[in-house]
Amino acid sequence: NAGVTQTPKFRILKIGQSMTLQCAQDMNHNYMYWYRQDPGMGLKLIYYSVGAGITDKGEVPNGYNVSRSTTEDFPLRLELAAPSQTSVYFCASSPGDRSGNTIYFGEGSWLTVV
Amino acid sequence: DAKTTQPNSMESNEEEPVHLPCNHSTISGTDYIHWYRQLPSQGPEYVIHGLTSNVNNRMASLAIAEDRKSSTLILHRATLRDAAVYYCILRAAGGTSYGKLTFGQGTILTVHP
Repeated sequence: NAGVTQTPKFRILKIGQSMTLQCAQDMNHNYMYWYRQDPGMGLKLIYYSVGAGITDKGEVPNGYNVSRSTTEDFPLRLELAAPSQTSVYFCASSPGDRSGNTIYFGEGSWLTVV
Repeated sequence: DAKTTQPNSMESNEEEPVHLPCNHSTISGTDYIHWYRQLPSQGPEYVIHGLTSNVNNRMASLAIAEDRKSSTLILHRATLRDAAVYYCILRAAGGTSYGKLTFGQGTILTVHP
């Protein structure tokens, strides 16, 4: 199994541009998450989804949008990119929300906004 | 979400045991204690989790205090590959938390050859 796959791995955007970070998982997990990690910091939750068609905001949702049309895919869209969105983005998935469930992370997408 | 407190950094020598502490005095009865680690330039990786009893797996052991207000991740023989940031996280069951993980800053573990 591939697990959680993110694309692209690296991207440079100009201020005001838009882009979509792709995330796909092949484990049939209902729960999916997008986190961002700024240098030297822990991860912060941007958006999450508990199943196809259901999404909700996390801790730092401003400037981002998500959709969940299938169980497998959970793309993150950046509208009007700003330098403050320069960060590493991690997609993750989990079989459920039970506290004993493990969360599986992708390898990250490095985004620079100039 | 209940919070955890970890030392900013720790050091160890290769092939020696490492004990990484975590305080979580506000833990609730249904919170699981999870440990993840993050190697340089990679996504976080699951290490171990537990509720009340001590837990062992192929990567590490988790010792949980009787009152559950603290726990210790034990790496029995540190290798250079264990150099990473280790996160101690309390994960609430369902409800408004939706199983999400709330990350602190973690402990940076340095392993010396």
